[in-house]
Amino acid sequence: GAVVSQHPSWVICKSGTSVKIECRSLDFQATTMFWYRQFPKQSLMLMATSNEGSKATYEQGVEKDKFLINHASLTLSTLTVTSAHPEDSSFYICSAPSGDTPYEQYFGPGTRLTVT
Amino acid sequence: KQEVTQIPAALSVPEGENLVLNCSFTDSAIYNLQWFRQDPGKGLTSLLLIQSSQREQTSGRLNASLDKSSGRSTLYIAASQPGDSATYLCAVSTDSNYQLIWGAGTKLIIKP
Repeated sequence: GAVVSQHPSWVICKSGTSVKIECRSLDFQATTMFWYRQFPKQSLMLMATSNEGSKATYEQGVEKDKFLINHASLTLSTLTVTSAHPEDSSFYICSAPSGDTPYEQYFGPGTRLTVT
Repeated sequence: KQEVTQIPAALSVPEGENLVLNCSFTDSAIYNLQWFRQDPGKGLTSLLLIQSSQREQTSGRLNASLDKSSGRSTLYIAASQPGDSATYLCAVSTDSNYQLIWGAGTKLIIKP
């Protein structure tokens, strides 16, 4: 099956710094990717839809200036958490649909962000 | 607005039992439905995908059914094993824009 990778798998940063998370589709092209965050013992919350070559679409309540998304190629989307604060600590997961019917979604392994 | 509900929120059963996890959705106009498993602190593993035109899918000890008219899907796990312990999530897509609507998950514990 298709593979989606994320890098880094975990990161610790100091409050006020920025962190970039990469999401790559390794063996298929993805014009669309999704970014989620997950708090402990909760389900996934969609943050934004990343579109190759155009601006991302953010869900209500998600600050687009804080969570910068760049989908520069058909295999790479990045999420940058700017001026991170402890409340941004979370598990961030990306996904990409295969592009073929039935549009199965493939998920990255997630990135654990801890802001101190 | 599509809403997805999973019942029960948690389930604990002895090893070897067969079990059923439930997923319901409010709008029957779905594109497909996926079942995932998530281990603690890990990403998601796709288990089964059922297209809207299908009634069920099987993979090993897992069988997922879909009844669009009643807005329900079940995930049947046969001969459960401790390694099946995880949180199981179902998600539906309502059109080809790929976006998934998620249930809150069922936390499954299989006792040795």
